[in-house]
Amino acid sequence: DAGVIQSPRHEVTEMGQEVTLRCKPISGHDYLFWYRQTMMRGLELLIYFNNNVPIDDSGMPEDRFSAKMPNASFSTLKIQPSEPRDSAVYFCASSFATAEAFFGQGTRLTVV
Amino acid sequence: KQEVTQIPAALSVPEGENLVLNCSFTDSAIYNLQWFRQDPGKGLTSLLLIQSSQREQTSGRLNASLDKSSGRSTLYIAASQPGDSATYLCAVRRGTGNQFYFGTGTSLTVIP
Repeated sequence: DAGVIQSPRHEVTEMGQEVTLRCKPISGHDYLFWYRQTMMRGLELLIYFNNNVPIDDSGMPEDRFSAKMPNASFSTLKIQPSEPRDSAVYFCASSFATAEAFFGQGTRLTVV
Repeated sequence: KQEVTQIPAALSVPEGENLVLNCSFTDSAIYNLQWFRQDPGKGLTSLLLIQSSQREQTSGRLNASLDKSSGRSTLYIAASQPGDSATYLCAVRRGTGNQFYFGTGTSLTVIP
């Protein structure tokens, strides 16, 4: 397996634009996590799914953020409208049950 | 909420030295604890996973221990090398909900 795949790797967008981040988890994994990493706050859990169902989205900062998992092999994190304070590295991770979790390479988002 | 602390925040050692990184957590109701490595601008690489029923795990020059009752884990790196320079993060997977809580990391520099 190629591991957790995220796209794009880098995204630069203007304030107010819609941004969509994508994640393909490892095949067979039933948990998918979205994290955000900043220098100030470290790694923050935004939302996680189990068997494609959102379990906890309490970390989603506000209504501008939404996440979906239409099937077991794909998830998206959308920000609409984007703001400069959303600039961060967004990571996706997956695991099978409570076994070892694997992270993608991240998407570096810059909102100008 | 689970609080995870890593001490020290930064560590600089000469090559060849053995070292210990510390991780403490407030809630002992965990499934497992996982140690990651993060190189600058990169994703998280899994190093070791310790299940809550285990006391330690070893991989090459790395040894991780877990004392669940006291809420502590250590990562021991033997015979450090410049290539070990990175940020080391511990993550605790809680016993209910299955989400990960990350520490703020220890930035390690191994001086040749």
